[in-house]
Amino acid sequence: DGGITQSPKYLFRKEGQNVTLSCEQNLNHDAMYWYRQDPGQGLRLIYYSQIVNDFQKGDIAEGYSVSREKKESFPLTVTSAQKNPTAFYLCASSRPNQPQHFGDGTRLSIL
Amino acid sequence: GQSLEQPSEVTAVEGAIVQINCTYQTSGFYGLSWYQQHDGGAPTFLSYNALDGLEETGRFSSFLSRSDSYGYLLLQELQMKDSASYFCAVRDNAGKSTFGDGTTLTVKP
Repeated sequence: DGGITQSPKYLFRKEGQNVTLSCEQNLNHDAMYWYRQDPGQGLRLIYYSQIVNDFQKGDIAEGYSVSREKKESFPLTVTSAQKNPTAFYLCASSRPNQPQHFGDGTRLSIL
Repeated sequence: GQSLEQPSEVTAVEGAIVQINCTYQTSGFYGLSWYQQHDGGAPTFLSYNALDGLEETGRFSSFLSRSDSYGYLLLQELQMKDSASYFCAVRDNAGKSTFGDGTTLTVKP
């Protein structure tokens, strides 16, 4: 079945550690997105990519990095510079200018 | 930049009709989407409007007025399972999407 797979479902980060969240899609979508959601809040855009080897910063890119080497994959690295990384991270993909479809998310916590 | 406003909470009874409004500000408007999110889950796509008017999908309908920078989601024949958060999201012509803070819908028996 086609879909968006995020892994892991739960992730714990130690102080000063970088962690990478995986997002893979087999929907042949060109565009991919990363959002952060804090409890009781809406989704805030971290990074987005509309084509392979190109990506743009969203509203809260500081402390995060991404790559888009393959159409199917858009990993997000939460660096040690992100001082408050505890959140629910959601990856989405879409066809050009079409609504987004979301993965099941990764919950990141600090040890 | 982009910004959206939607009510924080709405309460209705089973079988009723409820309307969730969304006003937005953006440059280069391309479309307005609606998503549903249950506690602990990921958002699921409900409806999309790029042009003015009403889009109907089963019990859910969405309306857009671009001249008023306004849209709404209409939920009919409410069921208990419709209790969730509902988000509007505006997309600009550069491909960037911004979400509202969400409306928590509580359906009571």
